[in-house]
Amino acid sequence: EPEVTQTPSHQVTQMGQEVILRCVPISNHLYFYWYRQILGQKVEFLVSFYNNEISEKSEIFDDQFSVERPDGSNFTLKIRSTKLEDSAMYFCASLAGGKPPLHFGNGTRLTVT
Amino acid sequence: AQSVAQPEDQVNVAEGNPLTVKCTYSVSGNPYLFWYVQYPNRGLQFLLKYITGDNLVKGSYGFEAEFNKSQTSFHLKKPSALVSDSALYFCAVRDPNSGNTPLVFGKGTRLSVIA
Repeated sequence: EPEVTQTPSHQVTQMGQEVILRCVPISNHLYFYWYRQILGQKVEFLVSFYNNEISEKSEIFDDQFSVERPDGSNFTLKIRSTKLEDSAMYFCASLAGGKPPLHFGNGTRLTVT
Repeated sequence: AQSVAQPEDQVNVAEGNPLTVKCTYSVSGNPYLFWYVQYPNRGLQFLLKYITGDNLVKGSYGFEAEFNKSQTSFHLKKPSALVSDSALYFCAVRDPNSGNTPLVFGKGTRLSVIA
């Protein structure tokens, strides 16, 4: 069964550095999402992406965050200047033509020191 | 705005006993409802969904859930728990009539099945 894949599985970075989290959604899916989960807490929506543009974003997704689908297969989340509170598990998800369910990757654990 | 409540942080059950993980929701229209499971250091795995049709939906690993519109609930159930069912369970809701609104998750319930 096709999967959403995310790399790296764990990223450690220093506060103020830029990070790029990478995702390869399922190939025929059209809608793409980033969620995050701070340790032990709920899964929170960050952003959704469709037709090469952001369709919705949460209040968490401020100017430090950006998303891109540079080559038709990868879907990236960039954090421009990381803060300690950005430490979390970041999940990518994709959706086929609006038909649920969302398919999630295994996540990237981001640790900001 | 849509929301999900999982009233229990932790559910403990003995192996072989039935289990229930509770979920209630709030949406303006008819909901799409989902259960996901998360094993340690892993992503969210889809278990089952309710879109329309029969209120009782069956999913992976012997799990099922019942949509109850009057009680706005979508409790997850399994007749006989296994130790391997121990994980974090998330209920999620989406209002399909509100454009491309994202899936909203509950805070999760940790299920512990004791041998």
